[in-house]
Amino acid sequence: GAVVSQHPSWVICKSGTSVKIECRSLDFQATTMFWYRQFPKQSLMLMATSNEGSKATYEQGVEKDKFLINHASLTLSTLTVTSAHPEDSSFYICSARVDTGVSYNEQFFGPGTRLTVL
Amino acid sequence: KQEVTQIPAALSVPEGENLVLNCSFTDSAIYNLQWFRQDPGKGLTSLLLIQSSQREQTSGRLNASLDKSSGRSTLYIAASQPGDSATYLCAVNQAGTALIFGKGTTLSVSS
Repeated sequence: GAVVSQHPSWVICKSGTSVKIECRSLDFQATTMFWYRQFPKQSLMLMATSNEGSKATYEQGVEKDKFLINHASLTLSTLTVTSAHPEDSSFYICSARVDTGVSYNEQFFGPGTRLTVL
Repeated sequence: KQEVTQIPAALSVPEGENLVLNCSFTDSAIYNLQWFRQDPGKGLTSLLLIQSSQREQTSGRLNASLDKSSGRSTLYIAASQPGDSATYLCAVNQAGTALIFGKGTTLSVSS
């Protein structure tokens, strides 16, 4: 199956700093990528849908100025948590959707990034 | 708005038992349904994907069924093993949208 990577796998930062998380589709091009966050012992909640070359679509309740998403190419989307605070500590998972071929419309997930804000 | 529910929230069984995890969804207009496994602190592992036109999919000891009209799917695990202990997530795909997840069933298999 298609492979999606995330970097870094974990990050610890001080409150008030910004953190960038990268999501890459390694062996396919993804017009659409998604960003989820997961709190301990809870399910994945969609934060935003990222479309290559256009502005991301954010879910209700997600602050677009705090969670900056850029999808500059068909293989890379980035999530920047600006002015991070302890309540932003979470597990962030990206996924990329396949747009062609036998896996059409299937989403493949990255391994996740554990963010801890001190 | 699509809602996905998983029952039970947690399940404990002795090794060797066969078990069924349930998933229901409110809007039957889905493109496909996927079952994932998630180990503590880890990402998602895709187990089975069922297209809306299919009734079931099998992989090893896992069998997933889909009844789209009634909005239900089940994941059957045969001869459970301690290594099967994890959280199992069900997610539905509606064309053009992101996967919508249930809250998961946390399975514990004791030896």
